[in-house]
Amino acid sequence: DIQMTQSPSSVSASVGDRVTITCRASQGFSSWLAWYQQKPGKAPKLLIYAASSLQSGVPSRFSGSGSGTDFTLTISSLQPEDFATYYCQQANTFPWTFGQGTKVEIK
Amino acid sequence: EVQVLESGGGLVQPGGSLRLSCAASGFTFRSYAMSWVRQAPGKGLEYVSAISGGGGSTYYADSVKGRFTISRDSSKNTLYLQMNSLRAEDTAIYYCAKPGSSISFNTQGYYFDYWGQGTLVTVSS
Repeated sequence: DIQMTQSPSSVSASVGDRVTITCRASQGFSSWLAWYQQKPGKAPKLLIYAASSLQSGVPSRFSGSGSGTDFTLTISSLQPEDFATYYCQQANTFPWTFGQGTKVEIK
Repeated sequence: EVQVLESGGGLVQPGGSLRLSCAASGFTFRSYAMSWVRQAPGKGLEYVSAISGGGGSTYYADSVKGRFTISRDSSKNTLYLQMNSLRAEDTAIYYCAKPGSSISFNTQGYYFDYWGQGTLVTVSS
């Protein structure tokens, strides 16, 4: 199985900050990667798919990039509602696997 | 509006059984391969099981193989997960998840665009 490793595990940031989360795959692939946001007590929500495509309804401050083994999720200007845990998921090689999560906390 | 709604979770003793259900609406259920994803308390996401749109193909993670059975009833737009021989490590929130397109569950690009609210399964004596 492909292992997905996210860094950092947690990040403290302020409203308005630019935040970047990295997801590294144990094997390289093109762009079959998704990012999800999960708030406490809620289900994950799809933000980005195909590494850089924004899911309908997701604010444009979220963006994704990368290919090969390194992928990034960037929040250009952190908003109060963005404090949550973020997960990457590879959809290149079955079975699908998730990163361990990155918690974005208020500084 | 797409909705998926899980039910059937609860407290069960080790070695016991439980059946989870996921009622789907707002999309052509029989056209979509559906999945179960679980999350242990305070932990990350684990892909547990999947079933094709027609029900003829299934997948199980090694951690549940031989103990869990996924099925679906397209006449009722409902997905099931029968869980037997439950262990403490099966304690988790179980989510029913729909993919963004009607592709096979093992096809590249299988992302989850709708998730249920989850149902909590607690295995404890």
